[in-house]
Amino acid sequence: GQQVKQSSPSLTVQEGGILILNCDYENDMFDYFAWYKKYPDNSPTLLISVRSNVDKREDGRFTVFLNKSGKHFSLHITASQPEDTAVYLCAADQGGSAKLIFGEGTKLTVSS
Amino acid sequence: NSKVIQTPRYLVKGQGQKAKMRCIPEKGHPVVFWYQQNKNNEFKFLINFQNQEVLQQIDMTEKRFSAECPSNSPCSLEIQSSEAGDSALYLCASSGFAEQFFGPGTRLTVL
Repeated sequence: GQQVKQSSPSLTVQEGGILILNCDYENDMFDYFAWYKKYPDNSPTLLISVRSNVDKREDGRFTVFLNKSGKHFSLHITASQPEDTAVYLCAADQGGSAKLIFGEGTKLTVSS
Repeated sequence: NSKVIQTPRYLVKGQGQKAKMRCIPEKGHPVVFWYQQNKNNEFKFLINFQNQEVLQQIDMTEKRFSAECPSNSPCSLEIQSSEAGDSALYLCASSGFAEQFFGPGTRLTVL
């Protein structure tokens, strides 16, 4: 079964708005949680990540929240911009040299 | 920005032909991963290495692919006999036991 799930295949938001992307996971052993941004025909670029010993990490307009008891993590983007239009992939792994497990991706469109 | 280098960017092969792609991980990253991304943005883990040793690989990789990460040479992933279903974007990522950074990928088309 899908170990990492993104419930929204697509989202549209107005420029300047706040949006939240959600990701649920199944494996209690996951220790590392990341969000990647992907443009069409490009490889994923790491946006922000967090280890399981913290429940929040902020980097500019991007904040990741981790809820370990709920097996859920989210990406909050504030002051959204047209350049944020991309596919956002959540991913998790067991840390160290473990493979990443990706969600299906959420296609985000920021309209101006 | 990722410093992982992948070559070639595009590769076209006929069915049954060998297809080889290379990856130079980011300097100082001992762990290298290969993933296959299909046109539906689904990622499939293929194999990973720590230095020159294989850590984990899936069954398909064990049977039809060969991969290595020799010291002082690029890592490589080779499909021994390409099939139409192998057409995909092959992504190499490297890691220093924390974040994984991806290269630009090799897009393989098997005709």
